[in-house]
Amino acid sequence: QKEVEQNSGPLSVPEGAIASLNCTYSDRGSQSFFWYRQYSGKSPELIMFIYSNGDKEDGRFTAQLNKASQYVSLLIRDSQPSDSATYLCAVNIPPYGAQKLVFGQGTRLTINP
Amino acid sequence: DVKVTQSSRYLVKRTGEKVFLECVQDMDHENMFWYRQDPGLGLRLIYFSYDVKMKEKGDIPEGYSVSREKKERFSLILESASTNQTSMYLCASMSEGSMNTEAFFGQGTRLTVV
Repeated sequence: QKEVEQNSGPLSVPEGAIASLNCTYSDRGSQSFFWYRQYSGKSPELIMFIYSNGDKEDGRFTAQLNKASQYVSLLIRDSQPSDSATYLCAVNIPPYGAQKLVFGQGTRLTINP
Repeated sequence: DVKVTQSSRYLVKRTGEKVFLECVQDMDHENMFWYRQDPGLGLRLIYFSYDVKMKEKGDIPEGYSVSREKKERFSLILESASTNQTSMYLCASMSEGSMNTEAFFGQGTRLTVV
């Protein structure tokens, strides 16, 4: 079982709609969770992090964490063409005090005007 | 402005060569990571380090080694480059602490092994 799994997509959403991205993880010791956005040819950039169960909102973005079910999701409201990118879920797995940051395979999102 | 700098943006090497990829961060971060990124596979962790001279294998360490002699510098070494190591390599650094920490990425090195 992979440590972090995402649907690779591609996911296509009309402009103005809600885009929903999902991620599951295998290690129950995982403590913090991140969503990165990566445009083609660029390095990943952080959108949000979350470490407590529930929802965390930042502008048009909402991260949701459910540790019991071991999943984390990202909702993008009022999707814009500029949101078209690959979204990477990352999980911080702390083995014996170190920080091991593991990424999923990414979901390619396309927002259609 | 935080910065992670990788020594080369593009690199072409021959099969069998020993290749060094360098990464330097100026944020005094304890944790540093090397990933490779291939289409459809996301970022796969090769090695990570949580302190000077400390290193841990990631998910795909075969064919690679690393060196961290100074806190700010983390080097990835391909002992004998092979064509299946052609990829985009990304370095990242992150501060200590399991909560609320962001990993910062370098610009990436696109390595082609011919």
